[in-house]
Amino acid sequence: DAMVIQNPRYQVTQFGKPVTLSCSQTLNHNVMYWYQQKSSQAPKLLFHYYDKDFNNEADTPDNFQSRRPNTSFCFLDIRSPGLGDAAMYLCATSRDTLNEQYFGPGTRLTVT
Amino acid sequence: DQQVKQNSPSLSVQEGRISILNCDYTNSMFDYFLWYKKYPAEGPTFLISISSIKDKNEDGRFTVFLNKSAKHLSLHIVPSQPGDSAVYFCAARNTNAGKSTFGDGTTLTVKP
Repeated sequence: DAMVIQNPRYQVTQFGKPVTLSCSQTLNHNVMYWYQQKSSQAPKLLFHYYDKDFNNEADTPDNFQSRRPNTSFCFLDIRSPGLGDAAMYLCATSRDTLNEQYFGPGTRLTVT
Repeated sequence: DQQVKQNSPSLSVQEGRISILNCDYTNSMFDYFLWYKKYPAEGPTFLISISSIKDKNEDGRFTVFLNKSAKHLSLHIVPSQPGDSAVYFCAARNTNAGKSTFGDGTTLTVKP
């Protein structure tokens, strides 16, 4: 009964090689979020979609992009991964921005 | 500048005793607060929340207290159970802004 699914769970990419992480949801929620979490730190919001409206955080590097082709799916594209982009990437959804969020299990990205 | 702080990285308590997890915030515009629990290899799951118009919210063994003047909230778990062992994240939100800001988390270990 997975509600927020992230694939793959582990991703290894080479320095500078574009990588895409995917997230899907069965909750039909309006909002989808992408967070970056480094070891023992707080999840850091990168951006979110409210329906098709994209909301970027001011300090999110241009290297990070996102796509939401439909309600169920959202993608995180890292155009040129650096060693500092190695982290856990969490996808979350909520009915709207005022509701609690439902998180996926995360994708751990390694950059070699 | 971290706006939500959980100053104790870890906490260990005996089964049956009370666990108290603390969270401090600096942004006076925050008006809604949430606690999430995270098990290894899973995403955070919503636990309990409180609005700034209240000073206490209770749900079974979990109670959240809010002290607005001190910009401090705490999560009480009583009685603590081994299954409560997890990382607990505090999150705060400014309803007008919509997004939540997370603390670094506190790892709770409940010993049998």
